[in-house]
Amino acid sequence: DQQVKQNSPSLSVQEGRISILNCDYTNSMFDYFLWYKKYPAEGPTFLISISSIKDKNEDGRFTVFLNKSAKHLSLHIVPSQPGDSAVYFCAASARNTDKLIFGTGTRLQVFP
Amino acid sequence: DTAVSQTPKYLVTQMGNDKSIKCEQNLGHDTMYWYKQDSKKFLKIMFSYNNKELIINETVPNRFSPKSPDKAHLNLHINSLELGDSAVYFCASSHFLYDSYEQYFGPGTRLTVT
Repeated sequence: DQQVKQNSPSLSVQEGRISILNCDYTNSMFDYFLWYKKYPAEGPTFLISISSIKDKNEDGRFTVFLNKSAKHLSLHIVPSQPGDSAVYFCAASARNTDKLIFGTGTRLQVFP
Repeated sequence: DTAVSQTPKYLVTQMGNDKSIKCEQNLGHDTMYWYKQDSKKFLKIMFSYNNKELIINETVPNRFSPKSPDKAHLNLHINSLELGDSAVYFCASSHFLYDSYEQYFGPGTRLTVT
């Protein structure tokens, strides 16, 4: 049973444009959400997170939006750069657990 | 200065063998984890340890045994390896149990069982 879903396995965006990566979840107990970025042959690296008490969190070119009623979050990258090309994982956690539940990832390719 | 390191990076072995993967973190974190990423790219938690104490033990065959000699190390020993154990195994760490959801991952160990 997949509690965190990333339905787009891949996304291709031109440099300078906006990249929007989507994530859906089913468990209403999740109260913290994270995005990780992964390059080939490396481990995932933390990118940005959001608590369920917020609907938006921004860090430089990266913004995460949370829509709790729809159980949906998205990561916006503006402007996209070739170095952003990687696999992006959405993850979620419930209160008082240290267990992260990951989605299957979306491969983003930013082309010149 | 690698924050979370794993050895070896690649491991090729035959069915039935016993192997270990080592993990070390120099971040001063209290909690460490093992994850498995299978061929379908699912990244799933296997174990977590907090200050050498087992906290999470997901539904993992008992052929897998984590060992934490101190809070900076969490090794994974696998007995009687099977073809289905082929995957990438990631070690991770975080600062405080239940306090920080941000986990820092090692580079992964690609295990291939033939």
